[in-house]
Amino acid sequence: NAGVTQTPKFQVLKTGQSMTLQCAQDMNHNSMYWYRQDPGMGLRLIYYSASEGTTDKGEVPNGYNVSRLNKREFSLRLESAAPSQTSVYFCASSEQGNSNQPQHFGDGTRLSIL
Amino acid sequence: GDSVTQMEGPVTLSEEAFLTINCTYTATGYPSLFWYVQYPGEGLQLLLKATKADDKGSNKGFEATYRKETTSFHLEKGSVQVSDSAVYFCALTKGTGNQFYFGTGTSLTVIP
Repeated sequence: NAGVTQTPKFQVLKTGQSMTLQCAQDMNHNSMYWYRQDPGMGLRLIYYSASEGTTDKGEVPNGYNVSRLNKREFSLRLESAAPSQTSVYFCASSEQGNSNQPQHFGDGTRLSIL
Repeated sequence: GDSVTQMEGPVTLSEEAFLTINCTYTATGYPSLFWYVQYPGEGLQLLLKATKADDKGSNKGFEATYRKETTSFHLEKGSVQVSDSAVYFCALTKGTGNQFYFGTGTSLTVIP
């Protein structure tokens, strides 16, 4: 019962490098989300996808792009990494159209940018 | 806009002590409320939820009651264990459930 799977789990980048964080869910959920978690800041929404084919900006979208590849997969791309993007990134999914249902989270990607 | 405010941490308790973590919310309409728990090195896991006023969510000895009159959803446990050491997040969503609003998290450490 995999749930939400994120890869990689850890990554170190140099400033200016690019990379893509991968996320896949096997719960047939319509909605998927990317958050970053920083000390004292809680979770901040970067982008979300309410359904396949749609994406919307969250609270902190600058410096990131996303792709909803299909219903299962939602990737997050850093085009030119900056030290301020050092964080733990979480992907989540949920049923769309039902506020009674919770989000399901992956285990996170710990990203350091030097 | 919608938001969640929870008590600042960190909280340190002795084993078997009573736990309360305060959470209040601001939202129009009728949100659903959640408590999530995050253990070290892991993602967030749903702990409990309540979807309408006066509902009580409960799980693993934790409880929280949805109080619309005080816009609160405080987390309680009668006797904490070392294994309860984690970060706890209060959250809300409403409507079509396309966006969740999280508090900043409260770190709990339980010492033997």
